Amino acid sequence: KAGVTQTPRYLIKTRGQQVTLSCSPISGHRSVSWYQQTPGQGLQFLFEYFSETQRNKGNFPGRFSGRQFSNSRSEMNVSTLELGDSALYLCASSLAMAGSYGYTFGSGTRLTVV
Amino acid sequence: AQSVSQHNHHVILSEAASLELGCNYSYGGTVNLFWYVQYPGQHLQLLLKYFSGDPLVKGIKGFEAEFIKSKFSFNLRKPSVQWSDTAEYFCAIINTGRRALTFGSGTRLQVQP
Repeated sequence: KAGVTQTPRYLIKTRGQQVTLSCSPISGHRSVSWYQQTPGQGLQFLFEYFSETQRNKGNFPGRFSGRQFSNSRSEMNVSTLELGDSALYLCASSLAMAGSYGYTFGSGTRLTVV
Repeated sequence: AQSVSQHNHHVILSEAASLELGCNYSYGGTVNLFWYVQYPGQHLQLLLKYFSGDPLVKGIKGFEAEFIKSKFSFNLRKPSVQWSDTAEYFCAIINTGRRALTFGSGTRLQVQP
């Protein structure tokens, strides 16, 4: 079966702009989580969605937001981009919340803010 | 708050050498434990996971890990590494309270042929 699909793979944006990233989970998976990966901070949890509701949130500013649709696809939005938002953004899907069955990760979207 | 420590940041081994990567966590309650691998240019892949039961867990590609609750450790092992094992390895935990994966900083493994 298809894995977790993230689009686009690469993005270059200018400071102050906003960006929307997309994630399609594995069919049947209802939980979608987002992580930010940077060389300095490593992998950090952004938020988790389940059944179209945000169930858990990490320590990121309000500029980072997301949503989940009825087909479990999720989008992540970052407004007023800063240089420090340059990172690999990873989406992970799971059958249930909180990784009860483990997570499957997508290939990520590499965002560069200039 | 929970945290995960991976003490080895960069490990260089020759092919056929044995591997052990350390992972310690801090959380007093029940946790689920994971090891993920990220090959160059590829996405994170699950190597193995521990939820309960036998503390010695076998994963894919000949990897195994042992959960030692008294030491808050979940070390990854492989008896004989191959060049294709060159990758970055991440230990992660999740507890029912925080309900999100907390990752260690990762260990970069370089296997020399």
